[in-house]
Amino acid sequence: GQNIDQPTEMTATEGAIVQINCTYQTSGFNGLFWYQQHAGEAPTFLSYNVLDGLEEKGRFSSFLSRSKGYSYLLLKELQMKDSASYLCAVRSSLSGTYKYIFGTGTRLKVLA
Amino acid sequence: DSGVTQTPKHLITATGQRVTLRCSPRSGDLSVYWYQQSLDQGLQFLIHYYNGEERAKGNILERFSAQQFPDLHSELNLSSLELGDSALYFCASSFGTGVDGQFFGPGTRLTVL
Repeated sequence: GQNIDQPTEMTATEGAIVQINCTYQTSGFNGLFWYQQHAGEAPTFLSYNVLDGLEEKGRFSSFLSRSKGYSYLLLKELQMKDSASYLCAVRSSLSGTYKYIFGTGTRLKVLA
Repeated sequence: DSGVTQTPKHLITATGQRVTLRCSPRSGDLSVYWYQQSLDQGLQFLIHYYNGEERAKGNILERFSAQQFPDLHSELNLSSLELGDSALYFCASSFGTGVDGQFFGPGTRLTVL
């Protein structure tokens, strides 16, 4: 089957570093995405990984290991505005078509 | 503001009815995606259109249908509505087929009474 797991909730302190993990099981893996979603708002694209390794974008980095079915999103120098849900999503390609599977999200609370 | 627009913002209707949700992608984007987000199920991928053609289908019910028009706007039609269809419906767009990320509209909140 196809499944994505991520922690439900995490708490961290302003200025700290936090790592949000995501594990997935899917056939036809074709890329992993991270999105940020503030309460009551639409998701915002953060990163895309299709090859193993680390992709860095400012304070945010995303890592992928395809052999382990594992990714993480690293947030540095946390700010209060980073309090949001972080969604891990996998694109799965099968028989010439594909679909997107989203995790239920990790709700991050940043404390002062 | 992502540049993706969705109308209406809110929709309240009764069971058994039919509604149409509309989406205009960002200027220059060829792909449109539809998602359903409910409290108990998270974000569910429904369907993807690229330049007027259906490219991928997710967990879209047979009561639901979508299309993308020549001007690239898209409509999601929901019929024979049930209470469980109450959710936030997002449209997203991308230039290509999504590897550059998708840009989400503000969503349409559908309430079925």
